Amino acid sequence: NAGVTQTPKFQVLKTGQSMTLQCAQDMNHEYMSWYRQDPGMGLRLIHYSVGAGITDQGEVPNGYNVSRSTTEDFPLRLLSAAPSQTSVYFCASRAGSNDQETQYFGPGTRLLVL
Amino acid sequence: AQSVAQPEDQVNVAEGNPLTVKCTYSVSGNPYLFWYVQYPNRGLQFLLKYITGDNLVKGSYGFEAEFNKSQTSFHLKKPSALVSDSALYFCAVRPFYGQNFVFGPGTRLSVLP
Repeated sequence: NAGVTQTPKFQVLKTGQSMTLQCAQDMNHEYMSWYRQDPGMGLRLIHYSVGAGITDQGEVPNGYNVSRSTTEDFPLRLLSAAPSQTSVYFCASRAGSNDQETQYFGPGTRLLVL
Repeated sequence: AQSVAQPEDQVNVAEGNPLTVKCTYSVSGNPYLFWYVQYPNRGLQFLLKYITGDNLVKGSYGFEAEFNKSQTSFHLKKPSALVSDSALYFCAVRPFYGQNFVFGPGTRLSVLP
């Protein structure tokens, strides 16, 4: 199993540009989520999905869109990038609603918005 | 509101000495508690979790954590630190009736040779 994979590893954008951060998992996990990591703030939840076709907002959803057309993929879209979105983005997955399940994280995407 | 606090931004310890990384939480109901570690330019890796039962849980790489319900704490410990333990450590809580994890701000551990 590859686990949770993310592409790209690093991206530079100009203000106003759009892009999609890709996330895929091969563990047949129902639950997937996107976090951003900023210094001194830990990880903050952007969006999450409890299964294909179902998404919901997390703590900091503004400026981001998600979709979940398949169990495996959970892309994160920035429609109009802003410097405040400069961050490291992590995708995570876990098996399901079982309370004991551990989250598995991807390697991250480092995004710089100029 | 649910929250997780890690009161120390940085913890320095000499190799071979015991280490403690502190975590306190505020959440309604019985929480599920986790520790993750992040090495440079890597994603978060699971260390250990407390769900129920024995208050002392053992995890990967010789780490353990003690759940203290009265103090709402879940401190991470290791009897003898290694230089390779140097990393960023995150405490996380998942409320019993919630779907999502809440993470602390992280504590950077430096183990000095």
